[in-house]
Amino acid sequence: DAKTTQPTSMDCAEGRAANLPCNHSTISGNEYVYWYRQIHSQGPQYIIHGLKNNETNEMASLIITEDRKSSTLILPHATLRDTAVYYCIVRIGGSQGNLIFGKGTKLSVKP
Amino acid sequence: NAGVMQNPRHLVRRRGQEARLRCSPMKGHSHVYWYRQLPEEGLKFMVYLQKENIIDESGMPKERFSAEFPKEGPSILRIQQVVRGDSAAYFCASSPLGTTQQPQHFGDGTRLSIL
Repeated sequence: DAKTTQPTSMDCAEGRAANLPCNHSTISGNEYVYWYRQIHSQGPQYIIHGLKNNETNEMASLIITEDRKSSTLILPHATLRDTAVYYCIVRIGGSQGNLIFGKGTKLSVKP
Repeated sequence: NAGVMQNPRHLVRRRGQEARLRCSPMKGHSHVYWYRQLPEEGLKFMVYLQKENIIDESGMPKERFSAEFPKEGPSILRIQQVVRGDSAAYFCASSPLGTTQQPQHFGDGTRLSIL
């Protein structure tokens, strides 16, 4: 699986958009980009995933660059409850079991 | 839909005892994954199971740890003769299929403390 690079921490004002970047310059054509978050002491929560196209769901939007070497997770209107560690993970296509979690980005949403 | 259920939420054991952690996957999910999170660290994959089969156990310690997912009932992660270093949060995830096109959904974990 390709390696990802994320900033260690970010701050965001409540009500503003939170844009979390992820670099995955060695990603292969059949690898998916996944985002999870972990709020203190809880299990990781699935947010969104994509292969090539931008994706949007009720939680967030995922913007993947055309060369697929980086992506951005967008929380359109961050709330205090979005404070968490956000993990960007790439997974090879096909049948593969495990997720490889890095250190993620600690997002702090401030009032 | 009920999510992934793990029990107990907290488990305290003395050194040398056995720990049994249970995971009931989401309804309709037949693939289960176990991860371990040591204090202040990220999650590390341990084992991937499908009903009655171990698919990938590359992350499991070679001794004292075992996992099963029987035809009926929850998946069990068993740690024999626990040591202090086993203190961690153990998370279970499930998915309907074992493909990477589908996300894994996690439970809230079992916090294991070894005295």
